[in-house]
Order: sequence, then C-alpha cells, then structure tokens
Amino acid sequence: GEDVEQSLFLSVREGDSSVINCTYTDSSSTYLYWYKQEPGAGLQLLTYIFSNMDMKQDQRLTVLLNKKDKHLSLRIADTQTGDSAIYFCAESPGYSTLTFGKGTMLLVSP
Amino acid sequence: DAGITQSPRHKVTETGTPVTLRCHQTENHRYMYWYRQDPGHGLRLIHYSYGVKDTDKGEVSDGYSVSRSKTEDFLLTLESATSSQTSVYFCAISEGGSEQYFGPGTRLTVT
Repeated sequence: GEDVEQSLFLSVREGDSSVINCTYTDSSSTYLYWYKQEPGAGLQLLTYIFSNMDMKQDQRLTVLLNKKDKHLSLRIADTQTGDSAIYFCAESPGYSTLTFGKGTMLLVSP
Repeated sequence: DAGITQSPRHKVTETGTPVTLRCHQTENHRYMYWYRQDPGHGLRLIHYSYGVKDTDKGEVSDGYSVSRSKTEDFLLTLESATSSQTSVYFCAISEGGSEQYFGPGTRLTVT
C-alpha cells in the first residue's frame, strides 16, 4: 500500500532557511501536498504540486519534486518563529483520499 | 477554516457509551472525511463520503460508523466507546476529492 515518510523533527534559527523532506512510495500519485498544523488547531493547506512539475514557488515557500526518487521537499525561506508548527506531507492519486506522513515538527528559535 | 464546524469541540465520556460527533460544512463540497490523529501515527482516515448516503471505509474504520443524510452534515458514531478511541478527530471536506480542507477538531477522551 501507499506509504509516506517524513523526518520527525527539525530545529532552525530565525532567519535561516528550513527544508522539510518527504518520501512516498505510490508511483500513481498525481498531487502532493504540504499542510501546516499549529498547536490545538486543524490542518491548513499550505501548497501543493502536480506530479508533472519539478518545482513550485509561492512567496517564501518552495516545493521541489523529484519524481524519479519519489522525494518531495518544502523549503521555507527566512523562517520566522510563527512558522513553528507540524508540517505534513500528503499524496493523492487525484481522487477521493489522501495518504499523510506522520508529520515533521519544526521548531524555530529566536 | 473553510466553512467547516465540528461539534462538540471537547468531550469526555465513559467506556461503553455511544458517542456521535458532527461535522457541518457551508461550502456545498461533495466529499467529506473523518480522520483521527494520534501521537506517532499522524492522521489516519476512518471513513469518507462521496455524496449523500454514499460512504466508504478508510484505514481504521473498525468500531466506527458514519452517516450522511444531507450534503452539509457528516456524522461519526462510536457505538460503544473504548479507551483506544481517545483521540483528536478531524473532519475534512473536498470538492474534487483531492485538495482537502480541515475543521478545527474534536478532542475525545474515553475514561
């Protein structure tokens, strides 16, 4: 079945770039997503990328996709303390359901 | 949050009692989902609906049932709650079945 793997924890200093990595196994994945969850809140959709794209940039966020290696990354430029949260990678074949990774906790220190 | 509410937001119940959680949307989206979130497991799909009265099981459906009699409401029922069902439950909605938007969550404690 499908599987999505993420590292559990990342710590960076304010102003640095953060890179959160994700690998997935389902070669039929059509869409790949990044969600953010702040403490006590639901998941917020940050950005997504179609499987036929290599890169997508959205303000401070850059998503890179290596389809050959089934590797997805989220880069946050100029990381701020407000970026501290859990980040989830998710993949979808393009209909009905998502498969989520277990999440990466990003801690940004001043 | 994209017009999604969950009720109750917090509930404490005893083992063996029935519990119903409600998800309500104002977006008229076709798909609705129930997930549970537990430490070390991320989000796991319980059940989902692809239309009124159309539902399907997810990864962890045992012990749960759902109903959708109106587009805007999706109910999750624990017929006889167990301590292993202590969790945070999230509802999500989607128009096309892929990009999903999440509600604020319900924290359920079964004692």
